[in-house]
This record gives sequence, structure tokens and C-alpha cells, in this order.
Amino acid sequence: GIQVEQSPPDLILQEGANSTLRCNFSDSVNNLQWFHQNPWGQLINLFYIPSGTKQNGRLSATTVATERYSLLYISSSQTTDSGVYFCAVRISGGGADGLTFGKGTHLIIQP
Amino acid sequence: DTAVSQTPKYLVTQMGNDKSIKCEQNLGHDTMYWYKQDSKKFLKIMFSYNNKELIINETVPNRFSPKSPDKAHLNLHINSLELGDSAVYFCASSRGSQPQHFGDGTRLSIL
Repeated sequence: GIQVEQSPPDLILQEGANSTLRCNFSDSVNNLQWFHQNPWGQLINLFYIPSGTKQNGRLSATTVATERYSLLYISSSQTTDSGVYFCAVRISGGGADGLTFGKGTHLIIQP
Repeated sequence: DTAVSQTPKYLVTQMGNDKSIKCEQNLGHDTMYWYKQDSKKFLKIMFSYNNKELIINETVPNRFSPKSPDKAHLNLHINSLELGDSAVYFCASSRGSQPQHFGDGTRLSIL
């Protein structure tokens, strides 16, 4: 099956810092999503980005499908950004296949 | 309006019992999913279901079974619960390969 690797596994930053999270995947995909799992355990959709670049406030994401990686940028970090960030993909070819998740990046923003 | 809702949020039960978790989506999506998040926060697909096919992850024990009374519901039945079934279970839905939307999860604890 498809492999999804996220880096770094852990990241501790001061409030106000910028960060880049990376997701590498091993096959062509027709779906790539970034999620934030907050301290209450909810999975919050950040981006649906199988290719290209999107921005939403302080967050932006870029997926280079031909090179099989995606990046999530967080600027001017706030303590509420803390949590686990997951990248998840679905292999091209469709059907009703579910998402394959990476192991996540655990982000801690210190005041 | 809640897009994907799961009940109950918490479920505490004894080993050997049979239990169900309900999931409903009001997004008009055609595909629904169940995921399991283990104690290390790793998320893994269990089932994918639309009106044409059911895809079962081969690692899921046959004590787990999805039941779909209609397109808006996909319930998860678990027989003979074991200690290792303790986890957070997430329901999700999508329209084809479009973004998957997740419920808030059901935390299952086996005593």
C-alpha cells in the first residue's frame, strides 16, 4: 500500500514563530488532506490539496504531486495552534478507498 | 448544523459485550468510512462503504461489522469486545474522492 511519511515528528516553538511541516507519499494520489487534531481530539479539516497551493489566514499548503510531497506552513504561531497535524492521502484509482494517514507532527507552541 | 455526527461520544463497557456506534451525515455524501485511532494516535481506515461496494481493511477482525440502513447512516457493530478494541473511532463521509469530513469521534474504553 501507499506509504505516508511526515516530518518532523515533534516540534516545539515559541509563540510568533513560523514552521514548515512536510508530508512525503509514495504513489500518485487523487486526494490529499491536512488535518489538525486539537487537544479535545477533534479532527479539523485544514486543506484539501491534491495539487497546487492554497492559503487560509496564517496557514498555507503546497502539494507538488509530480514529486510526491506536500508542505504545510504555519506563520506567526499561536498557542491554539498546538496539537497534532496529520497528512492523509488517497491513492489514485478511486473506488471507495479510505485515506491513508501519516503518523503526524506533534506541535507545541509555548507562550 | 453538525455535518457528521457520531453517538455516543464516550462508551465504557466490559470485555465480551456487544456494542454499536452510530454515525449520520447530512451532507448528501455517497461514501462513508470508519477509522480507528489507537493509543499512539495512529489513524487507520477500517471500512469504506458506498451503495456499490464495501471495502474492508484486511486487518480488521470479523467481530467488527458496518451496517448501513440508508445512504446517510453507517453504524459500526462490535461483537465480543476485547481489551485491544479500546481506541477512538471516527466516522467520515465524502462525495467520491472529494474531501472527507470527520465526526468528533467515539472514545471506547474496555474494562
